[in-house]
Amino acid sequence: DAGVTQSPTHLIKTRGQQVTLRCSPKSGHDTVSWYQQALGQGPQFIFQYYEEEERQRGNFPDRFSGHQFPNYSSELNVNALLLGDSALYLCASSRGLALSDTQYFGPGTRLTVL
Amino acid sequence: DAKTTQPPSMDCAEGRAANLPCNHSTISGNEYVYWYRQIHSQGPQYIIHGLKNNETNEMASLIITEDRKSSTLILPHATLRDTAVYYCIPNPPGYGKLTFGQGTILTVHP
Repeated sequence: DAGVTQSPTHLIKTRGQQVTLRCSPKSGHDTVSWYQQALGQGPQFIFQYYEEEERQRGNFPDRFSGHQFPNYSSELNVNALLLGDSALYLCASSRGLALSDTQYFGPGTRLTVL
Repeated sequence: DAKTTQPPSMDCAEGRAANLPCNHSTISGNEYVYWYRQIHSQGPQYIIHGLKNNETNEMASLIITEDRKSSTLILPHATLRDTAVYYCIPNPPGYGKLTFGQGTILTVHP
């Protein structure tokens, strides 16, 4: 049973560029959440996707956008990269919205903005 | 979101029980208490969760006080691989946003 997978593992970009990160949820899961974790901090919620729609959003600017596909996989897009966007980006998947839905995290994508 | 208070760091000897406390005095009646841990540079790992009753699984036990204002995560026989940051997170069901605090850095010593 495959867990949550993310690609790429590491990524280096320069300021002003755009980046796309990808996530495949755990088998049987249909909900995907994205988090940003700066060095030395706890993960911060970016947004959550369910049924291909953004259901909740954290305090992140519109430069951060996402998408969920019919197979439940998801992408996180960040435009006009800033140095402060350097972080570990985590994807978590869960099953539905109504239940006590435990979120399972992937290994993360380490983004470095130069 | 309920606020949590956890000690910044704790030490434990290998093979001994590690007891990690969490204060969540503003927890709502429908909020579960979730515990996650994060080993250095890896994604957070789910450990256990509970609402009112004590819970046990293959990884840990969770003790929740009767007034639900605090809880303790117990790792019965800590190993070096249990060295990690442990997060206590109150969360209502169906609420996707997990709010991570600073957590407790647990260091298990040989």
